[in-house]
Amino acid sequence: QVQLVESGGGLVKPGGSLRLSCAASGFTFSDYYMRWIRQAPGKGLEWVSDISASSTNINYADSVKGRFTISRDNAKNSLYLQMNSLRVEDTALYFCVKDKNPYFQKLVIGDAFDIWGQGTAVIVSS
Amino acid sequence: VMTQSPDSLAVSLGERATINCKSSQSVLYRSNNKNHVAWYQQRPGQPPKLLIYWASTRDSGVPDRFSGSGSGTDFTLTINSLQPEDVADYYCQQYYTTPCSFGKGNKLEIK
Repeated sequence: QVQLVESGGGLVKPGGSLRLSCAASGFTFSDYYMRWIRQAPGKGLEWVSDISASSTNINYADSVKGRFTISRDNAKNSLYLQMNSLRVEDTALYFCVKDKNPYFQKLVIGDAFDIWGQGTAVIVSS
Repeated sequence: VMTQSPDSLAVSLGERATINCKSSQSVLYRSNNKNHVAWYQQRPGQPPKLLIYWASTRDSGVPDRFSGSGSGTDFTLTINSLQPEDVADYYCQQYYTTPCSFGKGNKLEIK
């Protein structure tokens, strides 16, 4: 079945780094935009970053620009998020999400997200 | 910006729940005449689940007691005949502009 499994979260001190991974299965990974969404404890959903199917278009939230780097390996059906210079306010559950529609059926970059991973927790604390 | 209301609501089992979402700008794309709005349900301890996309299309497997309506800037999620498993947070999302944005969520409880 269609599945996303995140890993790589953990406890890190402010200024530290983490690399999140998302393993995809059950669909043609290389046909889809992929995104990272985060949710701080007790808070709502916040878009973090996204990457086009061929990695040619990448976007970041202003809050993470210059510190986070999104990438993907279509041969390995995997999505990544390199997180540097972590701040306390980056503490959250990070979800990997799949677009509802493949890139060749889209008229706009955005989409609804039909598959979510269970999330990986990032805690930034001294 | 997506503004959801009310912040929380309590509804009796079997009754109807209505959640509203207002966008700061129109999310209707003229090229396909579709409103780029989705609704998600997030049960405690679970990731969000897609309920509705294109403002009114139910995702696969979503019970027909869930319905979405609205156009332009004003949207509504309606849950008919509330069930115990509907206790959750509900979020609207616009995906017309980049970046996408979510409403702050509504907490639905049983009265």
